[in-house]
Amino acid sequence: SQKIEQNSEALNIQEGKTATLTCNYTNYSPAYLQWYRQDPGRGPVFLLLIRENEKEKRKERLKVTFDTTLKQSLFHITASQPADSATYLCAPGRNTGFQKLVFGTGTRLLVSP
Amino acid sequence: NAGVTQTPKFRVLKTGQSMTLLCAQDMNHEYMYWYRQDPGMGLRLIHYSVGEGTTAKGEVPDGYNVSRLKKQNFLLGLESAAPSQTSVYFCASSYSAGGTGELFFGEGSRLTVL
Repeated sequence: SQKIEQNSEALNIQEGKTATLTCNYTNYSPAYLQWYRQDPGRGPVFLLLIRENEKEKRKERLKVTFDTTLKQSLFHITASQPADSATYLCAPGRNTGFQKLVFGTGTRLLVSP
Repeated sequence: NAGVTQTPKFRVLKTGQSMTLLCAQDMNHEYMYWYRQDPGMGLRLIHYSVGEGTTAKGEVPDGYNVSRLKKQNFLLGLESAAPSQTSVYFCASSYSAGGTGELFFGEGSRLTVL
């Protein structure tokens, strides 16, 4: 069955550094991949989408890569700030006529001042 | 704009009791979803709807029923609650069915079944 893997351990970094989060998938061939941010006690919020024919996507301090050969997406936050502390979820999906995302368990990011 | 609103936000049930979670969206989205989120499991799709009057099973539908009588509302029912249904439930909606539309989530409903 399809498997979406994100680091279950929290990532601790210092303010100003670049945070890199990993999303690996197996037994799955997604056409695109979405990234969401989730704060404690809140619902996920959409951040970025990258399609299989795109190598890289940027939005302000965020950058996402998508390597279909490695079956991996990397999510980067440059010049990280304490306000970036949250859990980040990846969600690969396929165009099956109906949007069917499969969510990873998320990686918690802690940015210390 | 309220976006996606879930009620109630918290609920405690005894085993065997029934309840309904209500989800309302004001974005005129066609597609609505119910997920549950458990520690270490990620978000899992329970049921979804591709339009008013339609519903379909997701990954973990057993023990739940849904209805979409109005486009803006999606109800999730538990007929006979079990401790295994203790979870945080999220409703979401999206505009696009083409596979790339972002999901808009509610704030969640935390359910405890004793």
